[in-house]
Amino acid sequence: KNQVEQSPQSLIILEGKNCTLQCNYTVSPFSNLRWYKQDTGRGPVSLTIMTFSENTKSNGRYTATLDADTKQSSLHITASQLSDSASYICVVSARGNNRLAFGKGNQVVVIP
Amino acid sequence: NAGVTQTPKFRILKIGQSMTLQCTQDMNHNYMYWYRQDPGMGLKLIYYSVGAGITDKGEVPNGYNVSRSTTEDFPLRLELAAPSQTSVYFCASQGRVADTQYFGPGTRLTVL
Repeated sequence: KNQVEQSPQSLIILEGKNCTLQCNYTVSPFSNLRWYKQDTGRGPVSLTIMTFSENTKSNGRYTATLDADTKQSSLHITASQLSDSASYICVVSARGNNRLAFGKGNQVVVIP
Repeated sequence: NAGVTQTPKFRILKIGQSMTLQCTQDMNHNYMYWYRQDPGMGLKLIYYSVGAGITDKGEVPNGYNVSRSTTEDFPLRLELAAPSQTSVYFCASQGRVADTQYFGPGTRLTVL
């Protein structure tokens, strides 16, 4: 079973609307959680990194939240733009481990 | 700062051929990684390195080899290519354990 599960797998939203993506993880002991944006045909680009003590972090119109007790994170996109069409990947790191556990991504399509 | 560069961008191999995927970073990062990404799947770690001269296996190392003779370069070698190795390969680097991981643009490999 994947250690990082993301939902929904895909969604279509109208330009200007908001959306929220979910990430549940089982990685333990927890070190940090990252959200990446991956445009089609390109490498992932980091949006946020959160450690255990952080429960919210913003990067422009992207706001990530973290509940380390329930092992859940969300990524909220405000006032979506066409350029937000991409896959959003949740990545979790375990303490004392150089490896990262990747979710399969949330595929977001923004339509005019 | 070019960041993480990968060559080639695309390659088609015949079954049984060998090739080396090149990865170079100019950020003086100690940590470097090789991932593969299959359609609809999360990134899977092939090999990683925590510094020059040190490499270790990831989740899916079979059929691949790596070396890390310098801080900047982390080539991935495919020996006896198989159709199962058709994928997009991403190289990434990271300064410290909890830092952002920077990805290259990827190499799209097809084995026929």
